[in-house]
Amino acid sequence: QVQLQESGPGLVKPSETLSLTCAVSGYSISSGYYWGWIRQPPGKGLEWIGSIHHSGSTYYNPSLKSRVTISVDTSKNQFSLKLNSVTAADTAVYYCARRSSSWDRHDYWGQGTLVTVSS
Amino acid sequence: QSALTQPASVSGSPGQSITISCTGTSSDVGGYNYVSWYQQHPGKAPKLMIYEVSNRPSGVSNRFSGSKSGNTASLTISGLQAEDEADYYCSSYTSSSTLMVFGGGTKLTVL
Repeated sequence: QVQLQESGPGLVKPSETLSLTCAVSGYSISSGYYWGWIRQPPGKGLEWIGSIHHSGSTYYNPSLKSRVTISVDTSKNQFSLKLNSVTAADTAVYYCARRSSSWDRHDYWGQGTLVTVSS
Repeated sequence: QSALTQPASVSGSPGQSITISCTGTSSDVGGYNYVSWYQQHPGKAPKLMIYEVSNRPSGVSNRFSGSKSGNTASLTISGLQAEDEADYYCSSYTSSSTLMVFGGGTKLTVL
């Protein structure tokens, strides 16, 4: 069974960098699929952030592209998210998820981790 | 404002059927069969219920079905059960630079 687990600080100061890691078990990232991040501000809907292939190719939401970096570490079977220059608007539950290559689904999701941006 | 438009809420009684709509454009819902639906219970991660417009992942009840007409996709839940009460989100690939968009979500209440 494929499982994803997010980890990282739950509190980040404004203007600093949000860093999260997603550990994958039950499936080797190197075997395929894309791996990405989706966020959900409290009480609001879902927003796609971006995704990465084990080869390193990345896709980002243009609204966040200037501040986002997604990277992959196949040796640890995990991938990471960095979002810099954060503001209160970046406060959200951040989910990692596996995405199909044809963009038709995110089939496995992590439980999510709440990141609050506050001084 | 979300790229895909969903009703904010729908409701139904146990045993009834309900349909949730998801309206986009020819650049997303209407142009590709890459529509998916997710169920989200409070405090939980979204769960994939439908992909490629009408396909159900293994383990998802056949009470859930999906369809599409033009720029509008629909999720139908038949034989409503109390456990179906949740938020539902649609998603689609888009040919715009955004690449992937979600609907604003629909809260389903089982009366």
